[in-house]
Amino acid sequence: IAGITQAPTSQILAAGRRMTLRCTQDMRHNAMYWYRQDLGLGLRLIHYSNTAGTTGKGEVPDGYSVSRANTDDFPLTLASAVPSQTSVYFCASSDSGENTEAFFGQGTRLTVV
Amino acid sequence: GQNIDQPTEMTATEGAIVQINCTYQTSGFNGLFWYQQHAGEAPTFLSYNVLDGLEEKGRFSSFLSRSKGYSYLLLKELQMKDSASYLCAASDSNYQLIWGAGTKLIIKP
Repeated sequence: IAGITQAPTSQILAAGRRMTLRCTQDMRHNAMYWYRQDLGLGLRLIHYSNTAGTTGKGEVPDGYSVSRANTDDFPLTLASAVPSQTSVYFCASSDSGENTEAFFGQGTRLTVV
Repeated sequence: GQNIDQPTEMTATEGAIVQINCTYQTSGFNGLFWYQQHAGEAPTFLSYNVLDGLEEKGRFSSFLSRSKGYSYLLLKELQMKDSASYLCAASDSNYQLIWGAGTKLIIKP
């Protein structure tokens, strides 16, 4: 693993189903983030974690949950998917301290039908 | 409210210079980031400004005016590979990034 990895790359999901998007980083970054990116809108923060064991809500947290059991992993769960959650999801990480560069995973393209 | 504005799309010619503007309104301000995003790929970091003035990095430069809530990204000697979206993001008082929708830059031969 080099950098930050997301899985799956893409997924078609039936509405009402549960889904977990995986994110793993090997840079030992303390901070991790989940964003969604929709056409015509900027990246919107869903949830974040400043360090292992802590999480926080971003701008659009409803319908999503996260956990941070260790430094490397930051999974995002959709408990019951809805079509409005169709989006491209990006996981990112950054080193300790404010205003450090964020590194992004390659993204997960999710379609809820 | 918090807001980032940048043009939706710009077109420029290979070899030329282009300036992509960004204005921001945030609750507190702790710096301005520019990222590049090629179609279907992840954003990658280009620059960070927290003090007024110009930061130069090769063919790319970024400028910040805190009093005007304004930044621009200057790309010189444009190459076809520079065709991408350029994302402006401001760091607010909680060091959370507020992102613009991105400027799609089209380079023509």
